[in-house]
Amino acid sequence: QVQLVQSGAEVKKPGASVKVSCKASGYTFTSYYMHWVRQAPGQGLEWMGIINPSGGSTSYAQKFQGRVTMTRDTSTSTVYMELSSLRSEDTAVYYCARESTVGATPYWGQGTLVTVSS
Amino acid sequence: EIVLTQSPGTLSLSPGERATLSCRASQSVSSSYLAWYQQKPGQAPRLLIYGASSRATGIPDRFSGSGSGTDFTLTISRLEPEDFAVYYCQQYGSSPMTFGQGTKVEIK
Repeated sequence: QVQLVQSGAEVKKPGASVKVSCKASGYTFTSYYMHWVRQAPGQGLEWMGIINPSGGSTSYAQKFQGRVTMTRDTSTSTVYMELSSLRSEDTAVYYCARESTVGATPYWGQGTLVTVSS
Repeated sequence: EIVLTQSPGTLSLSPGERATLSCRASQSVSSSYLAWYQQKPGQAPRLLIYGASSRATGIPDRFSGSGSGTDFTLTISRLEPEDFAVYYCQQYGSSPMTFGQGTKVEIK
């Protein structure tokens, strides 16, 4: 069965960077795009960007351009999301979410809480 | 960017009642690429409906979706205790993918 297992919670200081991983299993890693979505405490869902695990191409939400980098390692079936220049407003749960053949995202990781605090 | 506006913000209903949730898009959603998700506290979102009206695998038939263009609806025919949660609509036909702000279905 499809599983997306994310790395553990992180606490970072303002100005630092964080790198969250999402290890996929149960399917052919390079066959489906992966999205990153975040959710601030008590808030809604916010799309950050997408990566094609096959070729590594990416597309980012304009809000995060210049601060976010999504990469993948096909040898370990893992995608990564790195966010730099962290500020308190980046405190959120970060999710990876895999597309399906119909384009929606039925598979989600368990989420990674990133706390930005001095 | 397509802005999705959900209404109402909160829906207070009793188990067994019918819930009707609305999602309105700022422009037409291409090919009805509109999905609905359920989220409970501390959990990741769960896909309920995709393509505006197709139920995802394992979703009970009390959940149904309808609509096209700019107006979409999620209907829960008879609320079960486990249905009290927050519901989000999502459009994935145009980049960037966007979500509505959510509708909370709470027990009256």
